[in-house]
Amino acid sequence: AQSVTQPDIHITVSEGASLELRCNYSYGATPYLFWYVQSPGQGLQLLLKYFSGDTLVQGIKGFEAEFKRSQSSFNLRKPSVHWSDAAEYFCAVGARGSTLGRLYFGRGTQLTVWP
Amino acid sequence: DADVTQTPRNRITKTGKRIMLECSQTKGHDRMYWYRQDPGLGLRLIYYSFDVKDINKGEISDGYSVSRQAQAKFSLSLESAIPNQTALYFCATSENSGANVLTFGAGSRLTVL
Repeated sequence: AQSVTQPDIHITVSEGASLELRCNYSYGATPYLFWYVQSPGQGLQLLLKYFSGDTLVQGIKGFEAEFKRSQSSFNLRKPSVHWSDAAEYFCAVGARGSTLGRLYFGRGTQLTVWP
Repeated sequence: DADVTQTPRNRITKTGKRIMLECSQTKGHDRMYWYRQDPGLGLRLIYYSFDVKDINKGEISDGYSVSRQAQAKFSLSLESAIPNQTALYFCATSENSGANVLTFGAGSRLTVL
């Protein structure tokens, strides 16, 4: 069964600092991988996704993520955080080639940005 | 207008009442989903539907039912609401490909007293 672990429940960074949010997954093969962001009172917005090819993927709002097969990880990074990045971030995996068509989500990482 | 619209956005109800959360979409997607979000637990799948005649239980379907009235409409019902169903509920859609990029509604916050 697939599972997703986001080890950090809450991260606080200063504006302008770099950011890395961790995500580890459990799956027998290479899954589809996603990062979603949820701003307060909003639904979830797709930041980026990995399907195949280049293991470093670029997303919206200056975010990037790197797929590392050997570590079963898909960490999200941003070189310089802005106050507007304060939100909750969810990593998700989907089974490649599955007819079930569903995603499994991590528990989320809440990001606080200090001015 | 939003691609995925959920109504109501907020609802307070009492234990034992029947509640329906509605979802409509303009994406033209066949696949629709209902997720529940609880603090610290992430999103958990309640039900999903791949077309009007296809309904499937997710990991936490007990206490819930769904109806797929049309390709664009997918409703979630709580027949007899209980306090531990207090949560934020999300509807989502996806294309028919296996990649399943989800498009989410803004959420329906339900409080059961």
